[in-house]
Amino acid sequence: DAGVIQSPRHEVTEMGQEVTLRCKPISGHNSLFWYRQTMMRGLELLIYFNNNVPIDDSGMPEDRFSAKMPNASFSTLKIQPSEPRDSAVYFCASTPGQGFYGYTFGSGTRLTVV
Amino acid sequence: GESVGLHLPTLSVQEGDNSIINCAYSNSASDYFIWYKQESGKGPQFIIDIRSNMDKRQGQRVTVLLNKTVKHLSLQIAATQPGDSAVYFCAENVFGNEKLTFGTGTRLTIIP
Repeated sequence: DAGVIQSPRHEVTEMGQEVTLRCKPISGHNSLFWYRQTMMRGLELLIYFNNNVPIDDSGMPEDRFSAKMPNASFSTLKIQPSEPRDSAVYFCASTPGQGFYGYTFGSGTRLTVV
Repeated sequence: GESVGLHLPTLSVQEGDNSIINCAYSNSASDYFIWYKQESGKGPQFIIDIRSNMDKRQGQRVTVLLNKTVKHLSLQIAATQPGDSAVYFCAENVFGNEKLTFGTGTRLTIIP
């Protein structure tokens, strides 16, 4: 199993540009989570999906952020327009969804908005 | 709101010694706890978990202790090695909910 796969690993973009982060969860996992990690705020849950349906998006900071999960093997997190304060490491994680035994995290995408 | 917090942001330990990382949680409804290890440039990695019906659980070189009375969680790492250097997070969960709430993390540095 390749684990949770995120792309790109690093992204540098100019303020105002659209950014799309991608995630492929572990095959068979029914729940997918997007987290943001910064020094100031630590790990923050942005949104999570269960069976491709958004369950809780209360952590999405603004309307500039949107997430989709068109199928069980793919999710995107989009920021449009991006701002310097969006600079962070964004993690995707998945869990089987039957019983709860914690998450498996991807390696993250380090986003820098200049 | 409810949160999980750590007492010590940094900890330095001599290689071969034991280390203890502490975590305080405030949500009395939490009944499942996990310790994660995050190495530089990587995502958090599951180390060990414990459910609220237990007060101790052991793994390979790691032990988690849970004191529900004072809402305290600790991670003990025995005979530390250079590879143990990382940031350690505790996380809590409430049964029936898939959300994990993470603590702020403790940076453990192993001194050769």
